[in-house]
Amino acid sequence: KQEVTQIPAALSVPEGENLVLNCSFTDSAIYNLQWFRQDPGKGLTSLLLIQSSQREQTSGRLNASLDKSSGRSTLYIAASQPGDSATYLCAVRPETGANNLFFGTGTRLTVIP
Amino acid sequence: NAGVTQTPKFRILKIGQSMTLQCAQDMNHNYMYWYRQDPGMGLKLIYYSVGAGITDKGEVPNGYNVSRSTTEDFPLRLELAAPSQTSVYFCASSSTGTASSYNSPLHFGNGTRLTVT
Repeated sequence: KQEVTQIPAALSVPEGENLVLNCSFTDSAIYNLQWFRQDPGKGLTSLLLIQSSQREQTSGRLNASLDKSSGRSTLYIAASQPGDSATYLCAVRPETGANNLFFGTGTRLTVIP
Repeated sequence: NAGVTQTPKFRILKIGQSMTLQCAQDMNHNYMYWYRQDPGMGLKLIYYSVGAGITDKGEVPNGYNVSRSTTEDFPLRLELAAPSQTSVYFCASSSTGTASSYNSPLHFGNGTRLTVT
């Protein structure tokens, strides 16, 4: 069974720092990996989706990479801002049973002004 | 631009009561999902639907039922609520599009926080 792990569980950084969030998964047979942002009391917002054939995706200050063979993805946030404070989750869509995404437990990010 | 709308936002149920969590999307998405999120755990899929009239079980379907009579609506029914169903419930949808439907991002509602006591 696919397992998705995100380390660290929580991270605090001063404003302006660049940072990396990590996501690892146990089964490399995936269609894609998505990164989501979740604000307290809110739903998940999709940030980036990387297809299995892609190595990275970029949106503004965010860059996500995927190394499928090693079961790893990173989310790079450049020049962090207090508004980036949220929980970031990754999820993989497996090739078998593709209607069921497997989610990590998230990294809670706090950007200190 | 409403997206995915869930009601109610909060609900407290007594053990044995039943209720329906509502979910509606206005994006004409074929795929809809129900997830639950428990503290310290990743989201778990309860049920999903690939189109009107078609539903299937996810990872944790016991104690729940769904129906999909229209493209827009995907209600989740809890019968005989139990404390183990205390959780935050999220509805999500995704489009099929022209590319592989599996490569479409999920759109989530804001969730329903349910407490069963």
